[in-house]
Amino acid sequence: AQSVTQLGSHVSVSEGALVLLRCNYSSSVPPYLFWYVQYPNQGLQLLLKYTTGATLVKGINGFEAEFKKSETSFHLTKPSAHMSDAAEYFCAVSEGMDSSYKLIFGSGTRLLVRP
Amino acid sequence: DTEVTQTPKHLVMGMTNKKSLKCEQHMGHRAMYWYKQKAKKPPELMFVYSYEKLSINESVPSRFSPECPNSSLLNLHLHALQPEDSALYLCASSQDRGVGIQETQYFGPGTRLLVL
Repeated sequence: AQSVTQLGSHVSVSEGALVLLRCNYSSSVPPYLFWYVQYPNQGLQLLLKYTTGATLVKGINGFEAEFKKSETSFHLTKPSAHMSDAAEYFCAVSEGMDSSYKLIFGSGTRLLVRP
Repeated sequence: DTEVTQTPKHLVMGMTNKKSLKCEQHMGHRAMYWYKQKAKKPPELMFVYSYEKLSINESVPSRFSPECPNSSLLNLHLHALQPEDSALYLCASSQDRGVGIQETQYFGPGTRLLVL
């Protein structure tokens, strides 16, 4: 079975500082990896995803993530944090068979942005 | 348009009530999902429908009954729920292009359910 580990349930940064949210995965097959963001009282919004090809993936709102197979990692970064980035972030790996699959989520990281 | 809509936004029900959650998408997606999310926890998959047929049931109690009447609609019928079933229920949809192709899941805003 596949799994995802997110290091740090809370990450606090100053506005304008680098954002780094960590995600490590466990998968027996080449993984499909996702980062989702959830604002309070809302559903999940896709930030970016890795399937195959280029290992540096760019997403919305200035976020990007790099797939490192040797480290089984898919960390999320943003060069300069904005107050509006404060939210819960989930890393996920997809697992499935046939044409149905499910997302296995990490436990989430709450990003706090200080003025 | 990548919108998934869910109704109602909030629902309060007693343990003897019967209620339904609704989910709708018009993106032509043929896979639809129900997830349950408890406070401060990640979403957990409940059911997956592929081409209107139930393809994954994650051992969910029978008091939750899913239904997919057509390719755009997904319902979750609730009966005799317990207080511990209080949670945010999220619907998602994705393309279903066949074996080995895992498309992005798009989520709705959720229904926040409180069982008294």
